[in-house]
Amino acid sequence: DAKTTQPPSMDCAEGRAANLPCNHSTISGNEYVYWYRQIHSQGPQYIIHGLKNNETNEMASLIITEDRKSSTLILPHATLRDTAVYYCIVRDRTTSGTYKYIFGTGTRLKVLA
Amino acid sequence: DAGVIQSPRHEVTEMGQEVTLRCKPISGHNSLFWYRQTMMRGLELLIYFNNNVPIDDSGMPEDRFSAKMPNASFSTLKIQPSEPRDSAVYFCASSFQGDYTEAFFGQGTRLTVV
Repeated sequence: DAKTTQPPSMDCAEGRAANLPCNHSTISGNEYVYWYRQIHSQGPQYIIHGLKNNETNEMASLIITEDRKSSTLILPHATLRDTAVYYCIVRDRTTSGTYKYIFGTGTRLKVLA
Repeated sequence: DAGVIQSPRHEVTEMGQEVTLRCKPISGHNSLFWYRQTMMRGLELLIYFNNNVPIDDSGMPEDRFSAKMPNASFSTLKIQPSEPRDSAVYFCASSFQGDYTEAFFGQGTRLTVV
């Protein structure tokens, strides 16, 4: 089962920052938080990930709380093309030492003109 | 690199027929994942491989589903016999197993079983 909970949907005005929250209260100390998005029926697209420090790349910023029980994905200037389903994932480390990605239901973000 | 390549992009088949979906992972990646996506159940992990060995197939719905990875550059997901409820989009993803790595997805195969 997914280890994250997200709001089912959000709206954001074009040009404004989109802040997408995620709760992962059962996260373990060495588990990473990943964000993906899926536009229409395309394959999920990687956005960003982090462990405990805040991260930023050309697509977004990831803010992780100090207790690591929640995080926020920030799209600084949302455009219509950012309309998608956004998935927050806690990457599972299995007993074999390998990693797998379990998707939850995600947040459907609609960017409004 | 061209990314993860899946074929075919679309498949329409009749109930009872065998269906084979194909995936070519990104060169150098050592893990491969098969997912299924439906409106009702979302994105489900079916099976994943590490170094060509199946690690976890607990998501495979029934014995009608099987997956193989004969080498590092090719994997198949087979459904035999297919049923209408198998209609879904099937995604393949690959990654390099490591602390600071991510998985990359293919564009999926849309399967329709009539």
